Amino acid sequence: DGGITQSPKYLFRKEGQNVTLSCEQNLNHDAMYWYRQDPGQGLRLIYYSQIVNDFQKGDIAEGYSVSREKKESFPLTVTSAQKNPTAFYLCASTRNQGAGYGYTFGSGTRLTVV
Amino acid sequence: AQRVTQPEKLLSVFKGAPVELKCNYSYSGSPELFWYVQYSRQRLQLLLRHISRESIKGFTADLNKGETSFHLKKPFAQEEDSAMYYCALAYGGATNKLIFGTGTLLAVQP
Repeated sequence: DGGITQSPKYLFRKEGQNVTLSCEQNLNHDAMYWYRQDPGQGLRLIYYSQIVNDFQKGDIAEGYSVSREKKESFPLTVTSAQKNPTAFYLCASTRNQGAGYGYTFGSGTRLTVV
Repeated sequence: AQRVTQPEKLLSVFKGAPVELKCNYSYSGSPELFWYVQYSRQRLQLLLRHISRESIKGFTADLNKGETSFHLKKPFAQEEDSAMYYCALAYGGATNKLIFGTGTLLAVQP
């Protein structure tokens, strides 16, 4: 059953803590993306990676970090530098064959700062 | 800079009525546009893309470069069409990045 798996589904973070959100895909997709979804703001791009060991900042990368050590995995770390981390985080992937192919999305992780 | 605008937060129609979800874009290059849908308790999924010129679940969308629009249409709404709909624009060439609109919640009343 191919797809993207995000874990955990819910995550609670204390002030000053770093937390890592997992994203794994078995679709053999080259490119992976992290988006943040806030009410009334649509989805905003945090980081993306087109190949292993390479990634680029998106529009709102401050306070976040990523790694791409394996093609299947693209974890996102929300650091203590992120001032407003409470949000819904979505991971997506696609083939590197032009944007016309479209994305496959994970089911998301809801992060709450307590 | 590129931008996608969905002017309606909520669109409520009765079953059997026509539906049009509006999407306007701003982009200096050649646009590639998509509609994504999120049904209740399901993940965001691709509905259709303009490059395919396809009809999915009775929905169609035509790219109008003159009006910079990519409205989603369906002649007869069904209750199962109730969902959140997002319009998206691909930018950044080979990077496959997407910019999304803020979404429109379609509610189809019985």
